[in-house]
Amino acid sequence: EVQLVESGGALVQPGGSLRLSCEGSGFIFSNAWMSWVRQAPGKGLEWIGRIKSSADGGTTDYATPVKGRFIVSRDDSKNTVHLQMNSLNADDTAVYYCSTAGDTSWYEFRIWGQGTQVTVSS
Amino acid sequence: SYELTQPPSVSVSPGQTALITCSGDNLDSKYACWYQQKPGQPPLLVIYQDSERPSGIPERFSGSNSGNTATLTISGTQAVDEADYYCQTWASSTAVFGAGTKLTVL
Repeated sequence: EVQLVESGGALVQPGGSLRLSCEGSGFIFSNAWMSWVRQAPGKGLEWIGRIKSSADGGTTDYATPVKGRFIVSRDDSKNTVHLQMNSLNADDTAVYYCSTAGDTSWYEFRIWGQGTQVTVSS
Repeated sequence: SYELTQPPSVSVSPGQTALITCSGDNLDSKYACWYQQKPGQPPLLVIYQDSERPSGIPERFSGSNSGNTATLTISGTQAVDEADYYCQTWASSTAVFGAGTKLTVL
């Protein structure tokens, strides 16, 4: 079964840091370009960033609101992608999803996790 | 930065055809994808590469992309299709989502 499972969501104070993880299974994880997408309460989907496969350079791209604060990394030995979030503020409160097109494409978001809740509040 | 514009809401009667549009500058030079999202659930890909349906998506879902507008068409709309729908593309190595359209099946 193709699956993504996120973990690490929590309540964190403004200015704090948090690391989310996402473990994939059922597809060749090392070939997949992995993205993080978030959804604030009652709002739409917002792409945060992605990491390409190691074979494609393992490079990262980020959305403007998180550039310089968030870092996406991957550990193919554990089929896991991470999202390190620093300098968090209330606007970062959202459900965070990891997603991928899988191991044969990169354009669409075909596989989604169930999401993990991040709340930034004092 | 690149933007995709969707109508906030679309209403349709059961059995009728729903059209949800997504506009962006020269959108037909890119691929458009569409996602369905129901409350409390992650998004579900319903159309990719403008008009392709993933396995398991009903044939009543179809897509097109011409000029500045991509369109998601739901033929013979059913009550189960009531959801939020998002279009998506890539621009300058950045994924872009439309703001979403709430489809109401009256």
